[in-house]
Amino acid sequence: AQSVTQPDIHITVSEGASLELRCNYSYGATPYLFWYVQSPGQGLQLLLKYFSGDTLVQGIKGFEAEFKRSQSSFNLRKPSVHWSDAAEYFCAVGFPGYSSASKIIFGSGTRLSIRP
Amino acid sequence: EAGVVQSPRYKIIEKKQPVAFWCNPISGHNTLYWYRQNLGQGPELLIRYENEEAVDDSQLPKDRFSAERLKGVDSTLKIQPAELGDSAVYLCASSSPRSNTGELFFGEGSRLTVL
Repeated sequence: AQSVTQPDIHITVSEGASLELRCNYSYGATPYLFWYVQSPGQGLQLLLKYFSGDTLVQGIKGFEAEFKRSQSSFNLRKPSVHWSDAAEYFCAVGFPGYSSASKIIFGSGTRLSIRP
Repeated sequence: EAGVVQSPRYKIIEKKQPVAFWCNPISGHNTLYWYRQNLGQGPELLIRYENEEAVDDSQLPKDRFSAERLKGVDSTLKIQPAELGDSAVYLCASSSPRSNTGELFFGEGSRLTVL
């Protein structure tokens, strides 16, 4: 079955520290992979995406993510977090083969808090 | 370029009452999605449209939920009658046919509270 897992419900890091948020998926082939961020009361905003090519992708706001096929993972990283990065982060997976638009499913999210 | 527009932003109703949510996608986006997001959870797909056709409604509770996209542009999601468990944020998203990877653009959501 197709699924996406974010094992960390809540993470707290100090401002200026590095960050890694985990995401694992279950699918028989390479899916499309996304990270979205949701600030309180706001809609979801795309941070970055992977669909082919270089497995290390760069996104907005200084975020990057690395696709590791052998681990079925797509972890999100940032070398130095800012207080404004506090938000909910969602990993999402799109499954090719569905008409012209992918079926997109989301993980349960990781809430990021920043310690001053 | 205007983003995905949803209304109302907030709605409080008593159980058994009907409620409707409206979504206007980004111009030119032919694929429209309705997701439900419960507190502390990720969005769950309710229905996906390509133009006016519902291509995936397997997760839509059809006994009380209905949706339409009559002209292939804006869409309405209705709940009748609402139950306490329907309290959630209802998110609308759209995607462009030129984006075959399925990148979604989300509205700010409609927060429903059922009392």
